[in-house]
Amino acid sequence: ETGVTQTPRHLVMGMTNKKSLKCEQHLGHNAMYWYKQSAKKPLELMFVYNFKEQTENNSVPSRFSPECPNSSHLFLHLHTLQPEDSALYLCASSRTSGRSSYNEQFFGPGTRLTVL
Amino acid sequence: SQQGEEDPQALSIQEGENATMNCSYKTSINNLQWYRQNSGRGLVHLILIRSNEREKHSGRLRVTLDTSKKSSSLLITASRAADTASYFCATVYYGGSQGNLIFGKGTKLSVKP
Repeated sequence: ETGVTQTPRHLVMGMTNKKSLKCEQHLGHNAMYWYKQSAKKPLELMFVYNFKEQTENNSVPSRFSPECPNSSHLFLHLHTLQPEDSALYLCASSRTSGRSSYNEQFFGPGTRLTVL
Repeated sequence: SQQGEEDPQALSIQEGENATMNCSYKTSINNLQWYRQNSGRGLVHLILIRSNEREKHSGRLRVTLDTSKKSSSLLITASRAADTASYFCATVYYGGSQGNLIFGKGTKLSVKP
């Protein structure tokens, strides 16, 4: 399997549920990203991990909790979400993150999340 | 905000015609990238142009960059129905802590057969 994969592709959850999104990259990259894409809004960067270390948290509410156990896997743990959190959540990877990189990113297909 | 702004927001053309999309940004950049997204799917990287480059080609794609005007354009020649998608510009700007991509809202392109 190649590229960036995300599971599940679709998720419906209630506000009191706990769920996790999974991302896996098979590209040998060292940086991984979570983005949120809502209708009629620009893609919003949520978290950045570089060599398994979180390097950016873009003021994301604590009900979203990322985890990066190694450079190939990235999780987003969800807890007590709100209906306005419904969106397409995209994972991406790149060789590295930082000023010295050209930072071409490779995206997964996304998880369509609906919070009831 | 340093994000790019695409123009137009939506574009509808006939197959075989050329499609031009524009992007403007606000601060000095390291590079500018164009991505494509089919409905409800992930983004696909199309082309990257560095701040010291003025024009770049890739197949039917032509990208220009004018750093004095802080703008870029994406031209798709001889469009096909399969080019129907949303197109985003993304900038890597100086001054940010990580050089991360900042995306615009995108141009929705519809190519009619």
